[in-house]
Amino acid sequence: ETGVTQTPRHLVMGMTNKKSLKCEQHLGHNAMYWYKQSAKKPLELMFVYNFKEQTENNSVPSRFSPECPNSSHLFLHLHTLQPEDSALYLCASSQDTGMNTEAFFGQGTRLTVV
Amino acid sequence: LAKTTQPISMDSYEGQEVNITCSHNNIATNDYITWYQQFPSQGPRFIIQGYKTKVTNEVASLFIPADRKSSTLSLPRVSLSDTAVYYCLVGEGDSSYKLIFGSGTRLLVRP
Repeated sequence: ETGVTQTPRHLVMGMTNKKSLKCEQHLGHNAMYWYKQSAKKPLELMFVYNFKEQTENNSVPSRFSPECPNSSHLFLHLHTLQPEDSALYLCASSQDTGMNTEAFFGQGTRLTVV
Repeated sequence: LAKTTQPISMDSYEGQEVNITCSHNNIATNDYITWYQQFPSQGPRFIIQGYKTKVTNEVASLFIPADRKSSTLSLPRVSLSDTAVYYCLVGEGDSSYKLIFGSGTRLLVRP
C-alpha cells in the first residue's frame, strides 16, 4: 500500500464510450502524475500537475483529458479511444516536483479498448 | 538534457550480489540519482536516491563516483522476489524535475 489509490483496477471500454480513471492520495502531496505503460515498454509520462495546475502535457492526444480538482484527486477522462490506447495507466504523487522528490505510484488501471 | 543508459537485461542466481550500472554522462550539478523497482502490472517503487559517494538503506546500496557520470545500484544476496525491472532516473537539470523513465534493466533471478 503506497497511499495512492487508483480506480478502477481494470476497465474494458468500446471505442465510442466515455469513461474516467480516478486517482486519490492522502499523503499531503502537491504534485500528481499520469503515466501510460504499454506492454513491455517504458513508462510514458502523460501529464503533470503541481498545486492543481497542469505543468506538463507530453503531447498527449486530446482524447485523453486530465482533471485535477484538488491536490488529492486526479482524473483522466477518456473518450473515443483507439485499440492502441490499451495499456496500464499509472498515477503517481510526490511532495513537489523538486529534483530529489520521491514518487509514490498507484497499482494502476489496466485499460482494454475493444 | 540528462539521459541515462542501462543494460537491457541481467541474469543472476539466488544469494548472489547484483550490481546494475547506469551511465548519465550529462548529469547536471543539481541532479540527484534515483532508482525505482517495478514488478509486472504494478507501479514503480522507490528504492534509493543519492547525490554523491555512497548511500545505503535496508534494501540496497548506491555507489556514485566522484565525476557522477555513472552510478551503480547494488542488491545484496538477491532472491527470486527481486526479479523486476530497475530504473535509473536523473533530474532533467532544469528547474522542473520530471519523473522521466527510460527502458530500465530487466533483472531475472534464477533459483
